[in-house]
Amino acid sequence: QKEVEQNSGPLSVPEGAIASLNCTYSDRGSQSFFWYRQYSGKSPELIMSIYSNGDKEDGRFTAQLNKASQYVSLLIRDSQPSDSATYLCAVFHTGGFKTIFGAGTRLFVKA
Amino acid sequence: KAGVTQTPRYLIKTRGQQVTLSCSPISGHRSVSWYQQTPGQGLQFLFEYFSETQRNKGNFPGRFSGRQFSNSRSEMNVSTLELGDSALYLCASTTGGGNTEAFFGQGTRLTVV
Repeated sequence: QKEVEQNSGPLSVPEGAIASLNCTYSDRGSQSFFWYRQYSGKSPELIMSIYSNGDKEDGRFTAQLNKASQYVSLLIRDSQPSDSATYLCAVFHTGGFKTIFGAGTRLFVKA
Repeated sequence: KAGVTQTPRYLIKTRGQQVTLSCSPISGHRSVSWYQQTPGQGLQFLFEYFSETQRNKGNFPGRFSGRQFSNSRSEMNVSTLELGDSALYLCASTTGGGNTEAFFGQGTRLTVV
């Protein structure tokens, strides 16, 4: 079992729709969770961090965390073609001083 | 405030050679992590340094090594290069304290021929 799992996609949504990206993790003791966006040929860019159960909203982005289910999600409202990228879920291992990344989900937003 | 700086941006090396990559973290950040990114494997953790000490190491052969200097700048070295080492090498910096948000440099694209 991979430590951080994501559906590789591609996920295709029409412009203006809600894109839903999901991630599960295996280490129950993980405390910090992140979503990164990576455009083709570029380095990952941090877009959201979440540390406690529930929802966290930032503009068009909402991160959701359920530690009991070991599940993290990212919702992108009013999706734009510029949101087309690979979205990486990341989990920080408190005891191991390392952040583990999922393989990423490719999102395509069709104009 | 300057971001994370990686040099060089591109490298072409021959099998058997060695290479050294450099990473300067965000000012005030004391932790530097290195990752290898390939299309098939995604982002793989190499190692993490904090205050010149390696705190964790990923599952890579001993040909991959690193170090951190007193100014928090870090280098990673790959010896006896193999074709499979061709990848984007990324470094990320964090404060190293309770804030674990990591910020990436632009990466070094290494091609081994």
